[in-house]
Amino acid sequence: NAGVTQTPKFRVLKTGQSMTLLCAQDMNHEYMYWYRQDPGMGLRLIHYSVGEGTTAKGEVPDGYNVSRLKKQNFLLGLESAAPSQTSVYFCASSYSNPGQDRVATFGSGTRLTVV
Amino acid sequence: KNQVEQSPQSLIILEGKNCTLQCNYTVSPFSNLRWYKQDTGRGPVSLTIMTFSENTKSNGRYTATLDADTKQSSLHITASQLSDSASYICVVSDGNAGNMLTFGGGTRLMVKP
Repeated sequence: NAGVTQTPKFRVLKTGQSMTLLCAQDMNHEYMYWYRQDPGMGLRLIHYSVGEGTTAKGEVPDGYNVSRLKKQNFLLGLESAAPSQTSVYFCASSYSNPGQDRVATFGSGTRLTVV
Repeated sequence: KNQVEQSPQSLIILEGKNCTLQCNYTVSPFSNLRWYKQDTGRGPVSLTIMTFSENTKSNGRYTATLDADTKQSSLHITASQLSDSASYICVVSDGNAGNMLTFGGGTRLMVKP
C-alpha cells in the first residue's frame, strides 16, 4: 500500500542513548518532514527536506539531526536522548508544487519514551 | 509569529447529533487551510483543504467553512457517528516560498451512543 511508513512504532531509551527513526515513502514526494506531538499541543516541525540531499531546520530542531540520502527516506537522529524528547514523532511527505494540492500524508507515528 | 487556535479543546456529543469546531488563525501571508482527522494512535488524515477564494467545502458529512477576512474557519459534522470520535486538527499554510504548516492544538471529539 502506498503511504508513509515509520519504524519503529515504539521505543524506550535511557537518557544519553542515541537512536535513529526511519521514515520511508513510496509516493515519489519531494518534501518530507519530521514533527513531534506533545499532549495538548499542535504538531511542531523539527526538520524538513525539500529534496534528496537537502535538509532544513524547523521550529524545534535542537537535539535532533536528519539526513535525506535517498528521495524516499528521511532519517531523524537523536544524538543524546533527554526526557524532554519523550513524545510522539510523526513523519510526513508531500509534493513540492506550491498551492492548494500539496496535501501532506502522515505516517502512523513513533512513540518514544526517554527515562 | 504564526498561530492557530482551536476551540473547544474537547467535546462530547451523542451519536446522530451535529457539532461545529472552530479555528482562528494569525498566519500571514495566508495560502490555504486544511482540516485533518487524527484517530488515536494514528497519523493525521486530510479531510478538506481550502484556499483564499473558497468559502465552503464538503467531504461527506464534513463541511468546512472559511472566512479569510476574519481569519476564521469552522468544521461542521452532520449526523455524527461513533467513528467520528477523534482529534480534529486545523492546519494553516503560509504563502511564503517554504509553504510551511502551522498546526492548531486540535479538538478532541467523543461521540457517545
